[in-house]
Amino acid sequence: AQSVTQLGSHVSVSEGALVLLRCNYSSSVPPYLFWYVQYPNQGLQLLLKYTSAATLVKGINGFEAEFKKSETSFHLTKPSAHMSDAAEYFCAVSNRGSNYKLTFGKGTLLTVNP
Amino acid sequence: EAGVTQFPSHSVIEKGQTVTLRCDPISGHDNLYWYRRVMGKEIKFLLHFVKESKQDESGMPNNRFLAERTGGTYSTLKVQPAELEDSGVYFCASSQDGTGQPQHFGDGTRLSIL
Repeated sequence: AQSVTQLGSHVSVSEGALVLLRCNYSSSVPPYLFWYVQYPNQGLQLLLKYTSAATLVKGINGFEAEFKKSETSFHLTKPSAHMSDAAEYFCAVSNRGSNYKLTFGKGTLLTVNP
Repeated sequence: EAGVTQFPSHSVIEKGQTVTLRCDPISGHDNLYWYRRVMGKEIKFLLHFVKESKQDESGMPNNRFLAERTGGTYSTLKVQPAELEDSGVYFCASSQDGTGQPQHFGDGTRLSIL
């Protein structure tokens, strides 16, 4: 079984401020973890992935996430928010036991204020 | 390379009618997935094809939903007859193999049942 919890359905930051989007997962076997972003009227775009290599994962657009097994977390961060980062962000988990289908969190809508 | 393509982008039908959604995966991707997001809820898995075979259809809501992938290329998802609760965004994704590699998503089909 697997599940994802994203804390905060809506996060608002100022342009230039740190972005922190929280994700905690549950998985009975070693997980694969992903962050996807959805811009308005578009599909899901992969930001980054963790597949059991380095625990600090760098993605596109300056985002990164750290896999912490002891905390079962995979939080997404970006040092300085840009207006173009405004979107909905989804954390997802998969594993061999689930046949690698994705289980998503409920999503976090990021607003960036000027 | 061309991404995952979904058609139509938006469909509005009346309760009781039939609708067919189409997904063209990335060329060479044997694995094809369907997901759905009902308004206000998380994105949920519907089913998974490996080539033309249904690997996992545990997420299909009921027998009004029929998915096919003839020849292992494009896939269709038919809803017959449509009910109000079927409204939502239907996403298709594909991956090259089924071992935790990232799934690439289409832009989705927004289905509205009146």
